[in-house]
Amino acid sequence: GENVEQHPSTLSVQEGDSAVIKCTYSDSASNYFPWYKQELGKRPQLIIDIRSNVGEKKDQRIAVTLNKTAKHFSLHITETQPEDSAVYFCAARFSGGYNKLIFGAGTRLAVHP
Amino acid sequence: GAVVSQHPSWVICKSGTSVKIECRSLDFQATTMFWYRQFPKQSLMLMATSNEGSKATYEQGVEKDKFLINHASLTLSTLTVTSAHPEDSSFYICSARPGRAVGELFFGEGSRLTVL
Repeated sequence: GENVEQHPSTLSVQEGDSAVIKCTYSDSASNYFPWYKQELGKRPQLIIDIRSNVGEKKDQRIAVTLNKTAKHFSLHITETQPEDSAVYFCAARFSGGYNKLIFGAGTRLAVHP
Repeated sequence: GAVVSQHPSWVICKSGTSVKIECRSLDFQATTMFWYRQFPKQSLMLMATSNEGSKATYEQGVEKDKFLINHASLTLSTLTVTSAHPEDSSFYICSARPGRAVGELFFGEGSRLTVL
């Protein structure tokens, strides 16, 4: 079935450390993998995405890696700051019409000063 | 970026009444919109895909008679929670992407429904 698994559910780091969140997906035909950041009571905002024709993408302190063979992708945040504290969701676009996004369970990241 | 607006942002209703939530794409046309439900501290669960001019496609386990979706124009989709009960209390959030794009989904602000 259509499934995205995300780990860990919570992550606590010290300011300046790196944070890594991992996801796996079930549909080998999935070709688009976005990461969203959601602050309390607000809408999810896209922070980075990757398509299946590349293995890695970086945007300043944020990077995403994709392993299509293993159906696995990860978010890497370096030099974390307190304002990075939020819930992060990975997602995968599933084939079969309408290009719907299925989300992982989310990771609550806390960055401590 | 593209803007999606949702209304109302919060609503309180009595058990047994119906509530309508609107989702509008303000600066683009969206043939498809997606409705998600989010319980506190949980993920975004896809409820249904709203298709302009045709019937919505519901995810497994979502009652179509309970959650009525109408996508009457290229910029408006509505979700009506019929005969609401306390267990329907949740955060409902819509999303859309411009035209035939297959990339980023843009989300509305969300609507928090509380059923007394």
